[in-house]
Amino acid sequence: ETGVTQTPRHLVMGMTNKKSLKCEQHLGHNAMYWYKQSAKKPLELMFVYNFKEQTENNSVPSRFSPECPNSSHLFLHLHTLQPEDSALYLCASSQRQGYEKLFFGSGTQLSVL
Amino acid sequence: GQQLNQSPQSMFIQEGEDVSMNCTSSSIFNTWLWYKQDPGEGPVLLIALYKAGELTSNGRLTAQFGITRKDSFLNISASIPSDVGIYFCAGHLTGANNLFFGTGTRLTVIP
Repeated sequence: ETGVTQTPRHLVMGMTNKKSLKCEQHLGHNAMYWYKQSAKKPLELMFVYNFKEQTENNSVPSRFSPECPNSSHLFLHLHTLQPEDSALYLCASSQRQGYEKLFFGSGTQLSVL
Repeated sequence: GQQLNQSPQSMFIQEGEDVSMNCTSSSIFNTWLWYKQDPGEGPVLLIALYKAGELTSNGRLTAQFGITRKDSFLNISASIPSDVGIYFCAGHLTGANNLFFGTGTRLTVIP
């Protein structure tokens, strides 16, 4: 079983839909992250949870809503997205926030029509 | 935030050739990391460097932590088709909350 699992792998949604991305880590880590990856841009940090508490919100629009029920699970709830939100959304985990080694999931490729 | 510039942005090489790429920053870091992202997958950690001047290998990959602490280099020897992907550098400052990522070098290996 891989360390960080993301579902779904691909998602197509309309601008009025509501959907959720799921991430689960099996590494015993305490920090979890959401990153956005768009073409020809550096990885953009969106949210960080450390020991289930949100510690970073990198000026992310409210149409993205994270949830971290426990240290192993992380969700990203999506509603009324825009076409420019189409991107690869990557989940990552680390032993704790501030620990430099991140372990990434395979990502969810999101297309907003 | 910190800006990490990777060079080159993309490379097309013949199988068997050696590859060199680098990453520069306007600020110093205490740790440099190199990740590889295969098509359709998330980045995977290749090498972590913790000391200025450090040279570390992982199979055919060798990375160096620059003396100035503002740069890092990655070399791949005798490239093979599965080396295809995007290589990202990342910098970390001790005590800082997060990593800073470079823009990536996209490698294509022609068989």
